[in-house]
Amino acid sequence: TAGITQAPTSQILAAGRSMTLRCTQDMRHNAMYWYRQDLGLGLRLIHYSNTAGTTGKGEVPDGYSVSRANTDDFPLTLASAVPSQTSVYFCASSDSPGEVTEAFFGQGTRLTVV
Amino acid sequence: AQSVTQPDIHITVSEGASLELRCNYSYGATPYLFWYVQSPGQGLQLLLKYFSGDTLVQGIKGFEAEFKRSQSSFNLRKPSVHWSDAAEYFCAVGAEGYQKVTFGIGTKLQVIP
Repeated sequence: TAGITQAPTSQILAAGRSMTLRCTQDMRHNAMYWYRQDLGLGLRLIHYSNTAGTTGKGEVPDGYSVSRANTDDFPLTLASAVPSQTSVYFCASSDSPGEVTEAFFGQGTRLTVV
Repeated sequence: AQSVTQPDIHITVSEGASLELRCNYSYGATPYLFWYVQSPGQGLQLLLKYFSGDTLVQGIKGFEAEFKRSQSSFNLRKPSVHWSDAAEYFCAVGAEGYQKVTFGIGTKLQVIP
């Protein structure tokens, strides 16, 4: 079982350019999440989606957008990248959005904005 | 607002020695508590979780954690560390939906021969 697949694995992006980080899950989970991981700050939630067709803002949403057209896919878009968005990005999913159950994580996308 | 404190950013232990990683939380009610492990270059994997019931929770890879309400703690323990346990460990607390789970900053474990 693949679980959660993120692409690309890593990317160097010029400031001002746009980019979409892809996330696909095959577990038919209702809820999906995007986190960024920064040294000394742990994981911080960017955006989430409790079910297809709905999204919500997390702790650090500025500069990012998401969409949830179907259950399996949850892309994260940076419209105009800035160096402070250099980070490791993790996509995650969980089965029950209204409950706190286990979340499953992808392997991450390392993004460097120069 | 809920919060999680992992006071040890970096810990070094000898292989075969016991391990305890500290986690303190702040939350208004009985929390949901998690420990995740992140191996280098990998995503996070759930080690164990506490929702209710027995305060001593067993997880994978020989880990356990104990919920102590009076101390607002959920420390992770392992009686004998293996070199493959070298990783970063994250404590998390939450309720009312996973979008409200808060992660600690992590403790990086180094295992020496």
